[in-house]
Amino acid sequence: GENVEQHPSTLSVQEGDSAVIKCTYSDSASNYFPWYKQELGKGPQLIIDIRSNVGEKKDQRIAVTLNKTAKHFSLHITETQPEDSAVYFCAASKGATGGSYIPTFGRGTSLIVHP
Amino acid sequence: GAVVSQHPSRVICKSGTSVKIECRSLDFQATTMFWYRQFPKQSLMLMATSNEGSKATYEQGVEKDKFLINHASLTLSTLTVTSAHPEDSSFYICSASRDTQYFGPGTRLTVL
Repeated sequence: GENVEQHPSTLSVQEGDSAVIKCTYSDSASNYFPWYKQELGKGPQLIIDIRSNVGEKKDQRIAVTLNKTAKHFSLHITETQPEDSAVYFCAASKGATGGSYIPTFGRGTSLIVHP
Repeated sequence: GAVVSQHPSRVICKSGTSVKIECRSLDFQATTMFWYRQFPKQSLMLMATSNEGSKATYEQGVEKDKFLINHASLTLSTLTVTSAHPEDSSFYICSASRDTQYFGPGTRLTVL
């Protein structure tokens, strides 16, 4: 089955700095890669996703890159703010064209943004 | 994005009792919903896939007689933890699938 590795497990940055979280996956058939933000005591919220037909996607301060050859994808947050502090999960799955699919999650990265 | 609700958000019960958690997709129909369990500072662990109108598919190691799942409509799935014990205390999260998975806010279960 799919195996997703996520690094680092903890990331501490100063407000205004950039933060990068990296994930690798093992199944070359995976073609959909969502990223979730989970605040303490809450459910994960989708913040950005990327499908295998593109290499990069950006939404304001958040961007995701995908390298299918190397089987890794990364989340980039620029101009970090204290409210960005949360646990971030990457995931990989097949069947990105709709319908039901089951993603494999990384172990999560605890991002701490110091004011 | 789509909205998924869970009820209750927090429940405390005595050992041996059963607890029901509801998961609703508020603005879309979901033929498939998922139930996850999350321990502190850990990732989400998939428990089962809930399919509307049919039996749930349980992941290996998850007791189907202990964690009863019912998906009676396209907007509602329920998870019942039967004869709960302290080791069942956890954060339970559901998700509903449309173009992607949308998660509920989670339910904190504490079994005394």
